[in-house]
Formats: sequence, C-alpha cells, structure tokens
Amino acid sequence: GAGVSQSPRYKVAKRGQDVALRCDPISGHVSLFWYQQALGQGPEFLTYFQNEAQLDKSGLPSDRFFAERPEGSVSTLKIQRTQQEDSAVYLCASSLRTSGSLDEQFFGPGTRLTVL
Amino acid sequence: SQQGEEDPQALSIQEGENATMNCSYKTSINNLQWYRQNSGRGLVHLILIRSNEREKHSGRLRVTLDTSKKSSSLLITASRAADTASYFCATVLFTDKLIFGTGTRLQVFP
Repeated sequence: GAGVSQSPRYKVAKRGQDVALRCDPISGHVSLFWYQQALGQGPEFLTYFQNEAQLDKSGLPSDRFFAERPEGSVSTLKIQRTQQEDSAVYLCASSLRTSGSLDEQFFGPGTRLTVL
Repeated sequence: SQQGEEDPQALSIQEGENATMNCSYKTSINNLQWYRQNSGRGLVHLILIRSNEREKHSGRLRVTLDTSKKSSSLLITASRAADTASYFCATVLFTDKLIFGTGTRLQVFP
C-alpha cells in the first residue's frame, strides 16, 4: 500500500506570500502530525489531529500557521505572509491508532519550503 | 525546543564495525523511539522502547534505556554502507507528540 505522501515536494515563495502544504496520510490512519525541520536539526512538533479534531497545536510558531483536516483524512498546513525564518522542511506523519505517539509514526517525504 | 541531545554529533566508521549513539533527555517519558533519516527514504521508525523496558533488540539494532539517568543508547552491529544516515531519538511524554533530539550523523565507509 501507499505510504504518506506530501505535495508539493518543493516550494519557493516570496516573502509575504501565502502557501498551502498538503498531506495524504496512510488510508485508515487515525492520527496525523505535522513537524518542522530546520537544516541540521531534528524535527519539531507543530500540531496533531485525531481524525478531524485538532487536539494539540501548541507547536505552531505563530498565528500565521494554520492546519486543518476537515474530513479526517487529508490535511493542509497553511502559512500566511511567509517569512524567511519559515524556510524549512515540513514533515507530515500518520499513525494507525488513537494512541498517537504511543505507536510508530510513518513519515512522508516532506515539503521543502524556501522563502526568498 | 528539543528534548533530547544525541552524542556524538557525528560518527565515522568502517563497514563491519559497531556504531553506538547515545541520547539524553530531560523529563519523564512514556516511551522513547529511534528514527533514521536519509535523503533516499526520509524519516523511518527503527525501534520503540517503553519506559518500563531496559533493553530491546531488532535485527542488528540494540537499544537500551536507563530512566534513572534519562538516557538511551542505540547500537548498530556489523554496520553497512547503507546504514549511513542521521539517527534521531524521540521521546514521548504523556501527550501524543514526539520530541526529537538533535541527531547523530553516521557515515559508514565501505
């Protein structure tokens, strides 16, 4: 079966533009996570969904970041008025059960965002 | 912020040698997971060890956990060139998110 997919794989934005990053989790996976990974660092948690409910958004760095998963499958991470410090790889992960990180997470290939 | 710190930051070895990476963390945890990341396959889960476990094996991987010292180690035995990657430990507190460390870059020379 297919793994987690993300699109686009690469995105270049001018400072001030809005961007939308898409994640297609593994079919049937209940939990979905977004992480941000800066160059040379480990991924940092952004937000977590259980089905369509956003249970934790404590990692979102500012109110310019918004995530949704309206039907409990595909998720979109939106960044408004992008800034240079938003440049990073954005990773999406899903896991099967409602126990979130008590299970293995399956990661997508990431979207590399570059803000000029 | 990152919970864990891996040591060493970088490690270079020859094929066939063993590689040991260490992870220290700051708070009580539910479980600790190790992930590998390379450009070809992205971030891949290797092994999960629960807070009430002390050692776990999976193929050529051996993970230990010492909750009194808040530390874990990952041992890769008989390393191969294909093991070249960055390795991250990630802790799970009593919420649902993974908190990653800073990573160890492993280079295995043929």
